[in-house]
Amino acid sequence: ILNVEQSPQSLHVQEGDSTNFTCSFPSSNFYALHWYRWETAKSPEALFVMTLNGDEKKKGRISATLNTKEGYSYLYIKGSQPEDSATYLCAPSYFQKLVFGTGTRLLVSP
Amino acid sequence: EAGVAQSPRYKIIEKRQSVAFWCNPISGHATLYWYQQILGQGPKLLIQFQNNGVVDDSQLPKDRFSAERLKGVDSTLKIQPAKLEDSAVYLCASSLLRDIYHEQYFGPGTRLTVT
Repeated sequence: ILNVEQSPQSLHVQEGDSTNFTCSFPSSNFYALHWYRWETAKSPEALFVMTLNGDEKKKGRISATLNTKEGYSYLYIKGSQPEDSATYLCAPSYFQKLVFGTGTRLLVSP
Repeated sequence: EAGVAQSPRYKIIEKRQSVAFWCNPISGHATLYWYQQILGQGPKLLIQFQNNGVVDDSQLPKDRFSAERLKGVDSTLKIQPAKLEDSAVYLCASSLLRDIYHEQYFGPGTRLTVT
């Protein structure tokens, strides 16, 4: 069974704070790393697909890095806003399957 | 482009009752997935279809869970009889057959509570 770990489990920050989360996973046979954002009562939304050829992605205030050799990824949020409150899931893909971590639940207070 | 549709959004049943969930994937997506997400855990793949054939159902508890994808489009997931530990969010996702990174698009899920 592949073990994908995310930390912290939950995080409570103030509006304007910057924050980051970690995803660690077995690095052998992994093909790509997906980050999803899941707001309560909504569909999980794809943030990034990180491939073996690229190690950094950015979308607005959110960015992610990937270390393929050691098997970890960081997700950064600069200047958190209340609308960033959600659960952030990472999922490396192995043999055409996504294996999800338990997620990091972020709460941003105004 | 319409997203993945799921219904119902919420369901409360008593243990030993039956329940069924429905999913309509994005048009043209040949691959369809059902996941179970128990509180505090990550989504776990239950079953993967490619068109109307099963690719992987290794984690589907086949004594009580069943799924079908007739005509390679819509899919239903059934639980019969339900147990307390089946309380979870059931997510449906779909992807293009030729997407090399297997990016999956998710529906809003069905939250099942078994009492």
